[in-house]
Amino acid sequence: DFQMTQSPSTLSASVGDRVTITCRASHSIGSELAWYQHKPGKAPKVLIYKATNLENGVPLRFSGSGSGTEFTLTISSLQPDDFATYYCQQYLNYLYNFGQGTKVEIK
Amino acid sequence: QVQLRESGPGLMKPSETLSLICTVSGDSITNYYWNWIRQPAGGGLEWIGRVHINVATRYNPSLRSRVTMSIDRSKNQFSLHLNSVTAADTAVYYCARDAFKSSFDYWGQGTPVTVSS
Repeated sequence: DFQMTQSPSTLSASVGDRVTITCRASHSIGSELAWYQHKPGKAPKVLIYKATNLENGVPLRFSGSGSGTEFTLTISSLQPDDFATYYCQQYLNYLYNFGQGTKVEIK
Repeated sequence: QVQLRESGPGLMKPSETLSLICTVSGDSITNYYWNWIRQPAGGGLEWIGRVHINVATRYNPSLRSRVTMSIDRSKNQFSLHLNSVTAADTAVYYCARDAFKSSFDYWGQGTPVTVSS
């Protein structure tokens, strides 16, 4: 069975902090991984696709790295608008799967 | 500009069939993959399935026995049918586009569905 493990589940941080969220896949997925930001009452917003590509219009403080089974989303300097829940999402064998989510809270 | 808009019943009873429609504007339904995703209250995102005009439809294995998706080319819409609903199907349902980037770049605003007797 394919598993995606996202960590941490909650993260407390301050404005200006560097923040890192990790997703691990039980099988290699190459670069088939995306990251989303989700705020209550709104649709999720894609930040990164194909592991490292910044979606159009997304601020440069967001970056993605990794391939195979381990992936990272980094926010270089956390801004007030960045407090939200973040999800990774993989694509393998024609199927999509989301991680459990990481809630980024104000410290 | 690409826009997606979900429409559906809002409130349902257990054992009924949920039917949702996603209307696409600013893009042709014959392009790309079109998806349904849901989020229960307090829970995470769950992919339900994907439909394409020429490629085999794919469903989440956990829902495959109850789900059907289709495209209406004439209305530029795609639909979701989920039968035998229970309270566990209560969620906000989103439609979303995958422009062959293995990710979802455009989403609808989401429509809440509550299953209650």
